[in-house]
Amino acid sequence: QLQLQESGPGLVKPSETLSLTCNVSGGSVSHSTNYWGWIRRPPGKGLEWIGNLYYSDSTYYNPSLKSRVTISVDTSKNYLSLSLSSVTVADTAIYYCAQSPVSAVAGAFQIWGQGTMVTVSS
Amino acid sequence: DIQMTQSPSTLSASVGDRVTITCRASQSISSWLAWYQHRPGKAPNLLIYKAFSLESGVPSRFSGSGSGTEFTLTISSLQPDDFATYYCQQYDSYPWTFGQGTKVEIK
Repeated sequence: QLQLQESGPGLVKPSETLSLTCNVSGGSVSHSTNYWGWIRRPPGKGLEWIGNLYYSDSTYYNPSLKSRVTISVDTSKNYLSLSLSSVTVADTAIYYCAQSPVSAVAGAFQIWGQGTMVTVSS
Repeated sequence: DIQMTQSPSTLSASVGDRVTITCRASQSISSWLAWYQHRPGKAPNLLIYKAFSLESGVPSRFSGSGSGTEFTLTISSLQPDDFATYYCQQYDSYPWTFGQGTKVEIK
């Protein structure tokens, strides 16, 4: 069964780049039957969609973050990554990676990681 | 961007109650709507996709309805595991957006 596990630094300084990885087990990150997304939840707020990556390597990003965000995959290590540059305290959040199958469910995130907390602070 | 507005923001209910949460879209999203349950410290859990399709393994007390701009999630008989926050999400057009959440609390 497909499982996702996020990992990252936990604490990032303002203006630096946040880098997270999402280890994919039980399936291949390059398989054409899945696409991948990152979502975050700031403290006390709701969920915010960050972006998606499709098996064709095409990406879609939230315009509110577009100039700072990059989503990619490392097929050799079977993980998904998120890079967010020039972070501010507003980027403090729990970050989740998630999978959506290319099926009737497509568009809804079927499998989620447990999430990783990232705090932006000097 | 399509704005998703959930109501109520908080709901107090008892075990066995029938609970309804509403999600309104700022423009038509056809049936491209999902519902999630989110418990503290856990990963969000997909309940409903395409507005009314029950995700595999989700109890049948959960149901979704609606199309266009107005949608509902109904829990027919609230169980102890159901006290959580619920989110709707539209995936009709980018950027995908979520509602602000509805917290279901114990009365």
